[in-house]
Amino acid sequence: KAGVTQTPRYLIKTRGQQVTLSCSPISGHRSVSWYQQTPGQGLQFLFEYFSETQRNKGNFPGRFSGRQFSNSRSEMNVSTLELGDSALYLCASSLLAGDTDTQYFGPGTRLTVL
Amino acid sequence: QKEVEQNSGPLSVPEGAIASLNCTYSDRGSQSFFWYRQYSGKSPELIMSIYSNGDKEDGRFTAQLNKASQYVSLLIRDSQPSDSATYLCAYPTGKSTFGDGTTLTVKP
Repeated sequence: KAGVTQTPRYLIKTRGQQVTLSCSPISGHRSVSWYQQTPGQGLQFLFEYFSETQRNKGNFPGRFSGRQFSNSRSEMNVSTLELGDSALYLCASSLLAGDTDTQYFGPGTRLTVL
Repeated sequence: QKEVEQNSGPLSVPEGAIASLNCTYSDRGSQSFFWYRQYSGKSPELIMSIYSNGDKEDGRFTAQLNKASQYVSLLIRDSQPSDSATYLCAYPTGKSTFGDGTTLTVKP
């Protein structure tokens, strides 16, 4: 079975721009969660989608948004980029909703904001 | 207080030794815990999950859970240089709470 894929792998943007990241979960998985990972803050939960519905949301500003499509693929959008948004963005898929199930992580998208 | 605290690192052990990684958490209602390993430049991967009090062994890895003390640990026996990585504990809070990680270095 193919693993979780994320595109693009690397991205460079400037302040004020917006960006869209994509995540394709493992086939059959309906839950997709997004995380931001930085050296100073560790792995921070952004949101989780299950069957096209956002189930949970972390403590991030409204500039961070996401959605999930009927094929379980998910996108994450960050508008009005700030320097502090530079991070590794990881998505993880799991078979069941919620975070009580094993999560399988994608390789991540490294976002650099200049 | 953070929801989950991991023992501060970095942790360095010689090859063949036992590495002990610890995690304390604040939510007494948590029923499951996970240990993920993250190699430098890679994404996290699950190595152990534990759902009940006591020990769970998988090869060289043993997870220990003490719900009364709100404490979970991971022991790595016969540590190998390939075990050098950052270890993250995680438990369900509805928002997938991860510890900050403990970086382990196993020296040959």
